[in-house]
Amino acid sequence: EAQVTQNPRYLITVTGKKLTVTCSQNMNHEYMSWYRQDPGLGLRQIYYSMNVEVTDKGDVPEGYKVSRKEKRNFPLILESPSPNQTSLYFCASSFTGSSPLHFGNGTRLTVT
Amino acid sequence: GQQLNQSPQSMFIQEGEDVSMNCTSSSIFNTWLWYKQEPGEGPVLLIALYKAGELTSNGRLTAQFGITRKDSFLNISASIPSDVGIYFCAGLRSSGTYKYIFGTGTRLKVLA
Repeated sequence: EAQVTQNPRYLITVTGKKLTVTCSQNMNHEYMSWYRQDPGLGLRQIYYSMNVEVTDKGDVPEGYKVSRKEKRNFPLILESPSPNQTSLYFCASSFTGSSPLHFGNGTRLTVT
Repeated sequence: GQQLNQSPQSMFIQEGEDVSMNCTSSSIFNTWLWYKQEPGEGPVLLIALYKAGELTSNGRLTAQFGITRKDSFLNISASIPSDVGIYFCAGLRSSGTYKYIFGTGTRLKVLA
């Protein structure tokens, strides 16, 4: 089944403890992206990747890192999480940057 | 980051009624997408529009790419309880940057 898989689905952590949210797609998509979703603010782009080893900042990149060493994987790294990073995170992928996005089921992160 | 103006923010309707929602922007877009998000899930693509004036249907859903390229509309006919969810629009600008801009969503509740 074609899908975007995120793990974990839920994560509760403490301020400053490094964490990684994984994202994997099995559709051979070139483009991958991370979003956060907050009430009243909609989906905001954190980082995106046009292809392997090519990443760029979105609208809200502060406090996040990404890497794209393989086409299928695009992990989101929070080196030192803070409470303002409590949010619902979505990974998405598409064939190209202008193709429709396919979303994962989300990761709900709480930072205390 | 920029957001699309999506209205209405929420709707409570009776089963069987038709629903209309729209997204507007001051910018021109090359592509409009409509997504549905259910609780605990990621957004799922409903309809993609690529040309000004285009009218596309997916079952009881019909979406239109506005002739000015600054807006899009989604209609749901004869609503049923499983239509409940949040509907998002997304637009891809014509500036060459591969970034979708998202609306803040229309929350639909269907009363049986």
